[in-house]
Amino acid sequence: DPKIIQKPKYLVAVTGSEKILICEQYLGHNAMYWYRQSAKKPLEFMFSYSYQKLMDNQTASSRFQPQSSKKNHLDLQITALKPDDSATYFCASSHGTGGQDTQYFGPGTRLLVL
Amino acid sequence: GDKVKQSPSALSLQEGTNSALRCNFSIAATTVQWFLQNPRGSLMNLFYLVPGTKENGRLKSAFDSKESYSTLHIRDAQLEDSGTYFCAARNNYAQGLTFGLGTRVSVFP
Repeated sequence: DPKIIQKPKYLVAVTGSEKILICEQYLGHNAMYWYRQSAKKPLEFMFSYSYQKLMDNQTASSRFQPQSSKKNHLDLQITALKPDDSATYFCASSHGTGGQDTQYFGPGTRLLVL
Repeated sequence: GDKVKQSPSALSLQEGTNSALRCNFSIAATTVQWFLQNPRGSLMNLFYLVPGTKENGRLKSAFDSKESYSTLHIRDAQLEDSGTYFCAARNNYAQGLTFGLGTRVSVFP
């Protein structure tokens, strides 16, 4: 059974619209993260949450807003979508907080903005 | 990719041969993770390392924090080893991992 669930698997959006990417982990982990993988760029760290609190934000744009309704949920809301936002978005989690622990990645949501 | 440099960028291996991948860090890495991204895009954990070495089956990895590098050795390559290998480092100043650009490995019969 998948331990980190990301929904949807694929997403097509129009420029200017808003989408929410869902992530749920069933590993009992206390920290969750979002990363982005764009073409020809390294995977980029975006956010980390620990016990539902924002710990680190490396995303310049306020159009990206993480939302945590439960400890094992960390959704990503993206507003005013642009074609440059097209990427695969990975959710990850780790047992330990503070980043000093193995991070496990979900299967990703592939977003295409037209 | 500047903070974590992976080499080579691509590698073609015959089944049964051995090879090594390398990551050099320009950040003060404290831990390293190695991943294999399969053709479907899933990232599979291979190793989590503090300075030292680990071995798992045909894979062996080492991390030297003083010399700022990590290596991944593939022994007796198999077709299912094909994919893109990423190393990622963490330092004491960030929560997230800093990734390299990856090494694309193709294993042929």
